[in-house]
Amino acid sequence: DTAVSQTPKYLVTQMGNDKSIKCEQNLGHDTMYWYKQDSKKFLKIMFSYNNKELIINETVPNRFSPKSPDKAHLNLHINSLELGDSAVYFCASSQDHRAYEQYFGPGTRLTVT
Amino acid sequence: AQSVTQLDSQVPVFEEAPVELRCNYSSSVSVYLFWYVQYPNQGLQLLLKYLSGSTLVKSINGFEAEFNKSQTSFHLRKPSVHISDTAEYFCAVSPTGTASKLTFGTGTRLQVML
Repeated sequence: DTAVSQTPKYLVTQMGNDKSIKCEQNLGHDTMYWYKQDSKKFLKIMFSYNNKELIINETVPNRFSPKSPDKAHLNLHINSLELGDSAVYFCASSQDHRAYEQYFGPGTRLTVT
Repeated sequence: AQSVTQLDSQVPVFEEAPVELRCNYSSSVSVYLFWYVQYPNQGLQLLLKYLSGSTLVKSINGFEAEFNKSQTSFHLRKPSVHISDTAEYFCAVSPTGTASKLTFGTGTRLQVML
């Protein structure tokens, strides 16, 4: 059983397109996160949701919009994709917003051409 | 704000040799400390964590890390590495008493050679 899953695993698209990445966790956790890992492997948090409510919103362009339909899902929608958006995007979850052990998904490699 | 420095981007080591991966952090508040491991084409997995108590923490696969508050360090060590330890290792911190927010270092690639 996959604890944190992401779809798709790979995503290749052109500049200007809109795309979504989906994340689901079956751990019963309350809190979910999105991270971006750039080409130099630097990982940075983008968003955090607790029970479907946004609690962390780092300096991320408005083109990125997270959506949490329920606490087991946190999707990432990206409008007007740019070359600089190419990265690996990781979803993670934790038991609650103060739980410090986070469980990561396998990542989605986004390539914008 | 917090920052994490991993000075070594790559560490090559022969199998069965000891290894130390260095991690230093900077923070104006108390933090919890973590090591995550990323195997090729996989997500991150928590290797070990320091929240409180003994400053020496150990993982089930032989890694250990020691929290040194005066030196603001949390170096990762293993006395004898195996080829399967080849991976990227990330040190991370999160401020205590607030919502969990991991700040990662830039990672150290451990390359174990035969």
